[in-house]
Amino acid sequence: EVHLVESGGGLVQPGGSLRLSCAASGFNFSSYAMSWVRQAPGKGLEWVSGISGSGGSTDYADSVKGRFTMSRDNSKNTLFLQVNSLRTEDTAVYYCAKDSKPIVGACFDYWGQGTLVTVSS
Amino acid sequence: SSELTQDPAVSVALGQTVRVTCQGDSLRRSFATWYQQKPGQAPLLVFYGKNNRPSGIPDRFSGSTSGDTASLTITGAQAEDEADYYCSSRDTSINHLEVVFGGGTKLTVL
Repeated sequence: EVHLVESGGGLVQPGGSLRLSCAASGFNFSSYAMSWVRQAPGKGLEWVSGISGSGGSTDYADSVKGRFTMSRDNSKNTLFLQVNSLRTEDTAVYYCAKDSKPIVGACFDYWGQGTLVTVSS
Repeated sequence: SSELTQDPAVSVALGQTVRVTCQGDSLRRSFATWYQQKPGQAPLLVFYGKNNRPSGIPDRFSGSTSGDTASLTITGAQAEDEADYYCSSRDTSINHLEVVFGGGTKLTVL
């Protein structure tokens, strides 16, 4: 059974940083692309970033490019999102999502329960 | 960047058929993917590709595309289908990939 468990969220001041993690189990982690998708309180879904199964290719939404860095450790079945220079508009629940294929964005067939990032002074 | 447009809210009588639509230029190049999200829960994949439904999703959920508009149809809506529905598509351009979500449609089952 596929499990995705996010961690690392919390309250941070504007300009601060966090490192989000997603521990994966129940599937061949390195064979699938992964993404981070966020949802601001009461708002819709927003794709943040994606990474290929090998980790050799990453893509980012324009809203986070240059501030967020996505990576993965296939030996530990773990996904990461380093979030820097945080802004109040980055406040959201951050979900990690498994792609159904090695390429990013084909479709997200499994989702974690999310970790809340709150950016506030 | 690409955009996908959804109606903010739709309602359907119990047992009737409802169509949730999603419009965007990227849908001319790639199929829509549909997710269901209930309050306090993570999104759930309910339909993808030309005609694919994940295991465990009832066959009352179906999808279609015409031109730049994708539709998710629920035939015989049930009370448990009341949720937010999001479409998404994968759009690529030179050296850049983007996954776009629609704004979501809140489905009310009356």
